[in-house]
Amino acid sequence: DAGVTQSPTHLIKTRGQQVTLRCSPKSGHDTVSWYQQALGQGPQFIFQYYEEEERQRGNFPDRFSGHQYPNYSSELNVNALLLGDSALYLCASSHRYGGPNQPQHFGDGTRLSIL
Amino acid sequence: DAKTTQPPSMDCAEGRAANLPCNHSTISGNEYVYWYRQIHSQGPQYIIHGLKNNETNEMASLIITEDRKSSTLILPHATLRDTAVYYCIVRVAWVGGSNYKLTFGKGTLLTVNP
Repeated sequence: DAGVTQSPTHLIKTRGQQVTLRCSPKSGHDTVSWYQQALGQGPQFIFQYYEEEERQRGNFPDRFSGHQYPNYSSELNVNALLLGDSALYLCASSHRYGGPNQPQHFGDGTRLSIL
Repeated sequence: DAKTTQPPSMDCAEGRAANLPCNHSTISGNEYVYWYRQIHSQGPQYIIHGLKNNETNEMASLIITEDRKSSTLILPHATLRDTAVYYCIVRVAWVGGSNYKLTFGKGTLLTVNP
């Protein structure tokens, strides 16, 4: 049973560029959440998707956008990259009606470096 | 979601029990306590969760005080592979079909020494 998979594992971009990160949820999950983890900090919630719509959003600018496909996979897009966007981007999946006894499962993230 | 307080770091000898404390004094009656850990260069891994009763699984035990204002994660026989950052998270139980977000603090870096 494949867990949450993310691609690519590492990425290097320059300021001003745009980037797309991808996530495939764990089998049986329909909800994808994205988190940003800066060095030395805990993950911070960016947004969450289910039924192909953004349902919750954290305190992140509009440069951060996403998409969810009918197969539940998801993309995170970041435009006009800033040096401060350098971080580990984590994807977590869950089932919308899983309840508290079915916790979110995380992928190993995409390490994004901005030069 | 209630705020949590954890020590920034702890050490433990290999083979001994590791007891990681978490304070959540403002927890509400409908909030669960979750523990995740993050080994270097990996994503967070779910460990255990509880509402008010003590819980045990194959990874760890969770002891929640009677007033629910604090909890302790216990790794009964720590190994070198348990060296990681441990996060204690409090969140409202799922309500009405909406999903939830996790609010992470900085966690506790547990170092297991040989």
